[in-house]
Amino acid sequence: GENVEQHPSTLSVQEGDSAVIKCTYSDSASNYFPWYKQELGKGPQLIIDIRSNVGEKKDQRIAVTLNKTAKHFSLHITETQPEDSAVYFCAASIRRDGAGNMLTFGGGTRLMVKP
Amino acid sequence: GAGVSQSPRYKVAKRGQDVALRCDPISGHVSLFWYQQALGQGPEFLTYFQNEAQLDKSGLPSDRFFAERPEGSVSTLKIQRTQQEDSAVYLCASSLRWEGLGGQPQHFGDGTRLSIL
Repeated sequence: GENVEQHPSTLSVQEGDSAVIKCTYSDSASNYFPWYKQELGKGPQLIIDIRSNVGEKKDQRIAVTLNKTAKHFSLHITETQPEDSAVYFCAASIRRDGAGNMLTFGGGTRLMVKP
Repeated sequence: GAGVSQSPRYKVAKRGQDVALRCDPISGHVSLFWYQQALGQGPEFLTYFQNEAQLDKSGLPSDRFFAERPEGSVSTLKIQRTQQEDSAVYLCASSLRWEGLGGQPQHFGDGTRLSIL
């Protein structure tokens, strides 16, 4: 099955700096890559996603890039703010006929933004 | 509108007891997923429903785990004869009917934190 690796496991940045989180996946058939932000005691919140037919997507301070050849995708957060501090998860999925698009998650990155 | 709602938020049970966890998906979402999240790890897939049909239960760890969605809306995850390794956060997610490359985004509830003593 699919395997998703995520790095780094922890990331500390100064407020205003950029943060980059990287993920690799194993199954070349994966075609949907969401990113989730999880705060303590809360469920994962979708912040951005990308599909395999595009290479980059941006939403204000957040951007995601996808390299299908290398099977890796990255999350970029610019002008970080203390409220960006949370655990971030990447995920990958394959849409399978009659079986939905279950997500395989990476191990998570704890991002700490220091004021 | 209202998001995915899960209850109870916390559940403590003694080893060997049965528990039932409830999920109310977003109205109109035909797809419903259950995930298990161990402390410090990413969620792991348990099972998937499309309307009332359970189409994938490949992630259920044992036959002690059972899920249902009899009317295609509310879903219940039941764990029989609980064991300490069942302690985790159980997350429910829902999405619109599949369409498009890769399917529809999944929206998560805040989960049920299950502790087995």
